[in-house]
Amino acid sequence: NAGVMQNPRHLVRRRGQEARLRCSPMKGHSHVYWYRQLPEEGLKFMVYLQKENIIDESGMPKERFSAEFPKEGPSILRIQQVVRGDSAAYFCASSPQTGLSQYFGPGTRLLVL
Amino acid sequence: AQKITQTQPGMFVQEKEAVTLDCTYDTSDQSYGLFWYKQPSSGEMIFLIYQGSYDEQNATEGRYSLNFQKARKSANLVISASQLGDSAMYFCAMTGNAGGTSYGKLTFGQGTILTVHP
Repeated sequence: NAGVMQNPRHLVRRRGQEARLRCSPMKGHSHVYWYRQLPEEGLKFMVYLQKENIIDESGMPKERFSAEFPKEGPSILRIQQVVRGDSAAYFCASSPQTGLSQYFGPGTRLLVL
Repeated sequence: AQKITQTQPGMFVQEKEAVTLDCTYDTSDQSYGLFWYKQPSSGEMIFLIYQGSYDEQNATEGRYSLNFQKARKSANLVISASQLGDSAMYFCAMTGNAGGTSYGKLTFGQGTILTVHP
């Protein structure tokens, strides 16, 4: 019974490149959440998706960031033209329905040089 | 808006003793959930315990219990019989039911670093 899978676990990008972070939820979970953890801080909500739908993206920066959760395949968090301030740990969580316990993946550590 | 406050940046406890990690929250929602997560040095987020706002009994999961005091808006985590492996960062978090579309999202506190001494 695999948990939430995220890949890559570590990602290094140069300023201006694109970063793609993938998240496969637990089996049977159709709700996906993305969070960002800056160094020495708690997690901050970014976006909440169900299959093929963005439910809440109030925590997403208005530019350069996008997320999707297609009918088939993992959820993708995409960061275009990365800057050093994007360096952080990005966590994906999933739940079988909203309001219930969310189970987190191991995170992707993004480092922008 | 919801807010979680963890006032203890760091806590120390002797192995085999109990420790309480504080968490207070602020919300206007009538229905909400309270969570605790553990983040060891390896970085993953481990779900520990959940308390619903309408649950009359305090939640317990093995050595973890949640001391829920609704009137005081506090949801402290109690770890009994501490072990060296309990050394980690601990986050309190909550969801709400604001009547909107996103009552599933978690709002986190700043975390408390727990160090267990042998």
